[in-house]
Amino acid sequence: QVHLQESGPGLVEPSQTLSLTCTVSGGSISSGSHYWSWIRQPAGRGLEWIGHIYISGSTNYNPSLKSRVTISVDTSKNSFSLRLNSVTAADTAVYYCARGVYDSGGYPANFDYWGQGTLVTVSS
Amino acid sequence: DIVMAQSPDSLAVSLGERTTINCKSSQSVLYRSNNKTYLAWYQHKPGQPPKLLIYWASTRDSGVPDRFSGSGSGTDFTLTISSLQAEDVAIYYCQQYYHAPWTFGQGTRVEIK
Repeated sequence: QVHLQESGPGLVEPSQTLSLTCTVSGGSISSGSHYWSWIRQPAGRGLEWIGHIYISGSTNYNPSLKSRVTISVDTSKNSFSLRLNSVTAADTAVYYCARGVYDSGGYPANFDYWGQGTLVTVSS
Repeated sequence: DIVMAQSPDSLAVSLGERTTINCKSSQSVLYRSNNKTYLAWYQHKPGQPPKLLIYWASTRDSGVPDRFSGSGSGTDFTLTISSLQAEDVAIYYCQQYYHAPWTFGQGTRVEIK
């Protein structure tokens, strides 16, 4: 069974960098059969896709966050990471990592597994 | 961005009753070249990760009870729970993966009446 687990600081000061890691178990992140994504949900609001990374290392980011986001992968640790720069209170949210599948044409499709989520609060 | 709008925001249903959740996209999520509809439904229970229920608008994921079904095409979609069970209390989200950025509906909370 595939399991994804987010980890990282639960409190980040304004203007600093939010850093989270998603560790994958039950499957190899480097198999190339999936893509790897970050999604967030501010309290009382909807889900917002942040971006994703393919095993090739190429990425696709939400334009609303693109200038501040970096997603990277570490195949040696079977994990991938999120960095969000210059955070403000508006970045306070539960952050989820998720695994995505491809359609028959190799285009990214739906998510099939999600992590539990981790709350990150931006506050001094 | 493709805007996904769900209705209702919440509903309370008696056990065993039929539950219908609607999702409307601001543009078609049907990819004509492969005739696939790029829409998924997820179930989210408190303290648990979101769970994939339906993909390609109507394909049930492995292990999902057959009381859950998805339908619709183009811009209008429905998730139906044919006979609500206590364990179905959750928030349900639709999501389009037709065009980046992927976007989600605001969620529909299902409770027991």
